[in-house]
Amino acid sequence: DTEVTQTPKHLVMGMTNKKSLKCEQHMGHRAMYWYKQKAKKPPELMFVYSYEKLSINESVPSRFSPECPNSSLLNLHLHALQPEDSALYLCASSPQGLAGVDTQYFGPGTRLTVL
Amino acid sequence: KNQVEQSPQSLIILEGKNCTLQCNYTVSPFSNLRWYKQDTGRGPVSLTIMTFSENTKSNGRYTATLDADTKQSSLHITASQLSDSASYICVVSGELEAAGNKLTFGGGTRVLVKP
Repeated sequence: DTEVTQTPKHLVMGMTNKKSLKCEQHMGHRAMYWYKQKAKKPPELMFVYSYEKLSINESVPSRFSPECPNSSLLNLHLHALQPEDSALYLCASSPQGLAGVDTQYFGPGTRLTVL
Repeated sequence: KNQVEQSPQSLIILEGKNCTLQCNYTVSPFSNLRWYKQDTGRGPVSLTIMTFSENTKSNGRYTATLDADTKQSSLHITASQLSDSASYICVVSGELEAAGNKLTFGGGTRVLVKP
């Protein structure tokens, strides 16, 4: 298995809902990432997990809560989101953990719409 | 502040023709530069990654060049195909960020290949 998968592909939620995004990779990669991408803008880093530990939090609001239950799985729990949080949420993984020059492999993304 | 500027913002070319995309960066000290291809609504796919000592790298019909002295890179697409229609993103990592595999994304060049 040589890809990063994300579910669901699309998600519509209200501002009072609680939902979760899921990301999986079975390539044995040791670092996993969450990015947020608005239309026609580059991806913005949100969180990085290295060896299942949260290594980087780019000052993301607490309504986004990441979780890494094991080395293959990364979740992003969503609660009380705002309409401006609507975006494409990308997951990525890289082989070596946070060890410098290391290609990041991106998933197809989850298109999130907050009503 | 690290910056990555890409030009042109968008480009229309005829199928079978060649094109060259440009990337200038101010990331210092430099660690590595990557080119990604992103189809609309999908995650980026890595095309090439180059470190300081490399000045050219090819991946099929894609050839990337790097001049670390002038802080410039280019991506050349040869014999374009309709499937090359996508955004091409230049991504740079500095030595300080490389420890966290943190990336600075350019704004991308949107390429449209017409028959």
